[in-house]
Amino acid sequence: AQTVTQSQPEMSVQEAETVTLSCTYDTSENNYYLFWYKQPPSRQMILVIRQEAYKQQNATENRFSVNFQKAAKSFSLKISDSQLGDTAMYFCAFMKHVRSTTNAGKSTFGDGTTLTVKP
Amino acid sequence: ETGVTQSPTHLIKTRGQQVTLRCSSQSGHNTVSWYQQALGQGPQFIFQYYREEENGRGNFPPRFSGLQFPNYSSELNVNALELDDSALYLCASSRWAGSGNTIYFGEGSWLTVV
Repeated sequence: AQTVTQSQPEMSVQEAETVTLSCTYDTSENNYYLFWYKQPPSRQMILVIRQEAYKQQNATENRFSVNFQKAAKSFSLKISDSQLGDTAMYFCAFMKHVRSTTNAGKSTFGDGTTLTVKP
Repeated sequence: ETGVTQSPTHLIKTRGQQVTLRCSSQSGHNTVSWYQQALGQGPQFIFQYYREEENGRGNFPPRFSGLQFPNYSSELNVNALELDDSALYLCASSRWAGSGNTIYFGEGSWLTVV
């Protein structure tokens, strides 16, 4: 079974600064996907960024980038130029690549990091 | 806006009662998953439906059941409600997600059991 650990329950950052959220995971799989989701107070889970484990290049999406260390099973999220709208709970999630349909798309989530961006 | 809609948004039930939560998936998506998110925790996988059949289940008892309809919308049913069932229930839809296709979440249904 896979586990995802987010060791920072809460973090804060000043507007316009950079913050890094940590995530580690445990799996015996070789092919899988990793995600960061944002959940604002409205509670809708929104995909921020995804990483395919077979790709060595770290994924980036505008102000968001990841540091993927496959051997260390680490997947951190860096938010640059933090904005007030980034205030939310952030979840790291794991999904294994499957050939059959069984459990395809099953994601394992960490318990989240609450990020507060201060003006 | 993800195209995934859930109803009702909030509801209160009494212990022992039954509840049905509904989800309309995004157009073109044939896979629907349900998650339970307790306060302060990450979502926990309940089960998944693919083309109207359950094809994966997490560590939830049989009183959690579901359906998927030909239009790929879905229902989550919970019987004999317990206080610990109080949580946000999230529906997520995707095309077959084995290859990592993006999963789109609805806004959830808040269930309070008293």
